[in-house]
Amino acid sequence: QTVVTQESSFSVSPGGTVTLTCGLTSGSVSTSHYPSWYQRTPGQAPRTLIYSTNTRFSGVPDRFSGSILGNKAALTITGAQADDESDYFCLLYLGHGISVFGGGTKLTVL
Amino acid sequence: EVQLVQSGAEVKKPGESLKISCKTSGYSFTTYWIGWVRQLPGKGPEWMGIIDPDDSDIRYSPSFKGQVTISADKSISTAFLQWTSLKPSDTAIYYCVRERLRHFDYWGQGTQVTVSS
Repeated sequence: QTVVTQESSFSVSPGGTVTLTCGLTSGSVSTSHYPSWYQRTPGQAPRTLIYSTNTRFSGVPDRFSGSILGNKAALTITGAQADDESDYFCLLYLGHGISVFGGGTKLTVL
Repeated sequence: EVQLVQSGAEVKKPGESLKISCKTSGYSFTTYWIGWVRQLPGKGPEWMGIIDPDDSDIRYSPSFKGQVTISADKSISTAFLQWTSLKPSDTAIYYCVRERLRHFDYWGQGTQVTVSS
């Protein structure tokens, strides 16, 4: 069974840039997987950040960007802020109507 | 305004059945697939399955197939998630989501399901 992989944790300094990735245990991630990214918001539903690889969802600051880097999807935060400290999850479409979330990356801003 | 409003928190005993709902408004219900996402305590979200409200075509994650049933009633613009025999491991928050272009653009507020003897 294909599993979606993410780094378990990452840290970034305030104002710094960080790139989180989202891969597959078998094969490469491409735009055909329609990578999307979500941020955990305590006590609320996850917040949609990026969809279709690199399209920012309505209201998402432009310091968040998505791309394909090598064989993975990537979420880059440029100019990280304290309130970016959170868990980030990617979602990949695997075909036949089925998608899978990655396990998430815990981002620390310090 | 697009809204997905879920039914309230539930506390159930192991072996009991349950059906939770997700009432949508603000858009044409049959235009977009509706999915369900599980979030276990302290864990990341899990994609459970998705339904086309227009013809009730359903896709389940292999992890959830046979464990839950997804349905929809287009006459009341509402999707459902149900269990026939709950287990303590089903304790989680369940979100309904609207799918567009293979991502989730709108989320319900979540329904806390607690299964405990």
